[in-house]
Amino acid sequence: KNEVEQSPQNLTAQEGEFITINCSYSVGISALHWLQQHPGGGIVSLFMLSSGKKKHGRLIATINIQEKHSSLHITASHPRDSAVYICAVRSGGSGSRLTFGEGTQLTVNP
Amino acid sequence: NAGVTQTPKFQVLKTGQSMTLQCAQDMNHNSMYWYRQDPGMGLRLIYYSASEGTTDKGEVPNGYNVSRLNKREFSLRLESAAPSQTSVYFCASSPGGAYGYTFGSGTRLTVV
Repeated sequence: KNEVEQSPQNLTAQEGEFITINCSYSVGISALHWLQQHPGGGIVSLFMLSSGKKKHGRLIATINIQEKHSSLHITASHPRDSAVYICAVRSGGSGSRLTFGEGTQLTVNP
Repeated sequence: NAGVTQTPKFQVLKTGQSMTLQCAQDMNHNSMYWYRQDPGMGLRLIYYSASEGTTDKGEVPNGYNVSRLNKREFSLRLESAAPSQTSVYFCASSPGGAYGYTFGSGTRLTVV
């Protein structure tokens, strides 16, 4: 079993829909990251959180430390949101090294 | 623009050839990393450098060597390329501690 599990692996939505991507992890962590990988391959950091909730534009990330679970929400989805979304955790015992999930491929159709 | 610069963007090697992937950051970050990304798998850490002058193995270090030349530059060397090293390679940097990461644009390497 991977230390970081994402669901779903693939997600297709219609423009305007509310989207949720889930991340579960099995180790103690000091922080969780959400990353976005564009079709061209570049990786961009979206959020880093260790508790509660963060919001940036139409993106919202939440984390429940007790349940070892995080969600990434996209409100009013748009075709430009189509990308791979990656969850990664940093374990307190391993300095600043990250362990990555396999990613969720999101496609938003117009 | 500030960020992480990787070169080259694409490379084709024959089995047994050697090459060095270059990475440089201009954000004065302490920590630098090399990852590989393969289909159906998450990014996996090859080597990292927590600070200038130090390097450590990650999950998949076999077949690779690294050099932290100075605070800005962290190179990855394949001494004798193998088809199993066909992958997309990403360099990343971080200030360290509870801070985020900045990724390079990746190097797509094919070993034939």
